[in-house]
Amino acid sequence: AQKVTQAQTEISVVEKEDVTLDCVYETRDTTYYLFWYKQPPSGELVFLIRRNSFDEQNEISGRYSWNFQKSTSSFNFTITASQVVDSAVYFCALIAMDTGRRALTFGSGTRLQVQP
Amino acid sequence: NAGVMQNPRHLVRRRGQEARLRCSPMKGHSHVYWYRQLPEEGLKFMVYLQKENIIDESGMPKERFSAEFPKEGPSILRIQQVVRGDSAAYFCASSPAPTGHSNTGELFFGEGSRLTVL
Repeated sequence: AQKVTQAQTEISVVEKEDVTLDCVYETRDTTYYLFWYKQPPSGELVFLIRRNSFDEQNEISGRYSWNFQKSTSSFNFTITASQVVDSAVYFCALIAMDTGRRALTFGSGTRLQVQP
Repeated sequence: NAGVMQNPRHLVRRRGQEARLRCSPMKGHSHVYWYRQLPEEGLKFMVYLQKENIIDESGMPKERFSAEFPKEGPSILRIQQVVRGDSAAYFCASSPAPTGHSNTGELFFGEGSRLTVL
C-alpha cells in the first residue's frame, strides 16, 4: 500500500519569505512517480511537477524548486520569495507502478497563507 | 482546446435523493478517474474507467455509488440515496491511454463538482 504524508497542515509566511513544504512517502514499489499539485481558493487542481523514482536530480522552475531524496523518502517543495498569489493548498501525490495501478495517492495537503 | 469539463459545478440534494455528476474528458483522452475530496482533506481515489470498462473501482464505496463511461457521452458518477456524509467535492481527471511510463500520471483535472447534501 502507498502512503503520502504532509505533516504540515498549515503554514503562514510573510511575502518574500522562502517556504518549504514537506512530503514523505511510503511505497514498496521500485518504480513510482511523485507529483505536486496546487489548489488555489477557486478549487481547481493545478499540476506543478512530476518526478520518477529513477531521477533524483533536483529541479528548479522559476521560484519553485523540488528536492527529491530517495534515502529519506522525501520530495520537498520550496517556494523562494513567496508571493500572495502562492496562497493555496498544496498536495503531494504518488503513483506506484509495479502493481500496474494508475491511481494517484494524495497527501492531506498543506495550506499555505502568504501575508502581504 | 477544452480541458476536462465537469458539470454541474455545484449541486444541492436532500437526503435520499440521487446525485449525478458528469465528466467530459479532454479531447483524445480515453481514460477517466474520479476522486473525492472531503472538506479539509486530500483527494481520495474512487474509480478508474476507460470507455465501456471499469479498470479499478477499489476506492468506490460498495453501496449507492456507481460510475460509467459509455462509448458515447460523458462519464457519469451516480450516488443514490445521498446522505450528509456524501457532501464533498468530486473531481474528475482524464488521461490518454497509457503507453508505458512516458505519460504516467499525466492527469488533467476538471474544476470539480461540489455536492451539498441537506
